[in-house]
Amino acid sequence: AQKVTQAQTEISVVEKEDVTLDCVYETRDTTYYLFWYKQPPSGELVFLIRRNSFDEQNEISGRYSWNFQKSTSSFNFTITASQVVDSAVYFCALGMNSGGGADGLTFGKGTHLIIQP
Amino acid sequence: DAGVTQSPTHLIKTRGQQVTLRCSPKSGHDTVSWYQQALGQGPQFIFQYYEEEERQRGNFPDRFSGHQFPNYSSELNVNALLLGDSALYLCASSLVKDWYYNEQFFGPGTRLTVL
Repeated sequence: AQKVTQAQTEISVVEKEDVTLDCVYETRDTTYYLFWYKQPPSGELVFLIRRNSFDEQNEISGRYSWNFQKSTSSFNFTITASQVVDSAVYFCALGMNSGGGADGLTFGKGTHLIIQP
Repeated sequence: DAGVTQSPTHLIKTRGQQVTLRCSPKSGHDTVSWYQQALGQGPQFIFQYYEEEERQRGNFPDRFSGHQFPNYSSELNVNALLLGDSALYLCASSLVKDWYYNEQFFGPGTRLTVL
């Protein structure tokens, strides 16, 4: 069975601070995919990044960066110089492929990020 | 390029009733997945449809059923509604031949309230 744990229920920081959202996953599969999604108050999930289990390179996209470590089963997300527009709920998710198409994703419970001006 | 669309946006039903939610996938996509997101929780996978058949199912009772049409659009049906079925229902579409990328695009959701 797969499981995703986001231990931080809510994080509140002041604008321009750096913030890291933690994600720990569990799976017995050797091939899997990790995702981060952003959910603003409107409700629609916005795709941020996908990582394959065989690609442990960290990635940076503007103010966003992701740290994937298979040794600790973690896929953490850092926002540098946070902005009020970053306020949202962020979900980490785990995906598989059981042969023929992408399987349904397993999501964590999400971290509510509040950026105060 | 139209994204994933869902209808209706909001819905209010009473316990015991039946409801149908609709989803049109992103243009060119052939696979549709449905998720239930209770308040304050992450989305939970209900089931996935491909080639008009249920390909995979999460841990949901038979009261939850679905259908996929030849144009790849999909419906989610919930019978004998319970108060606990109140949630945001999200539809996601993907392309089976691109399974390697495992990219699912989500719609805005349907907010179902059961009274």
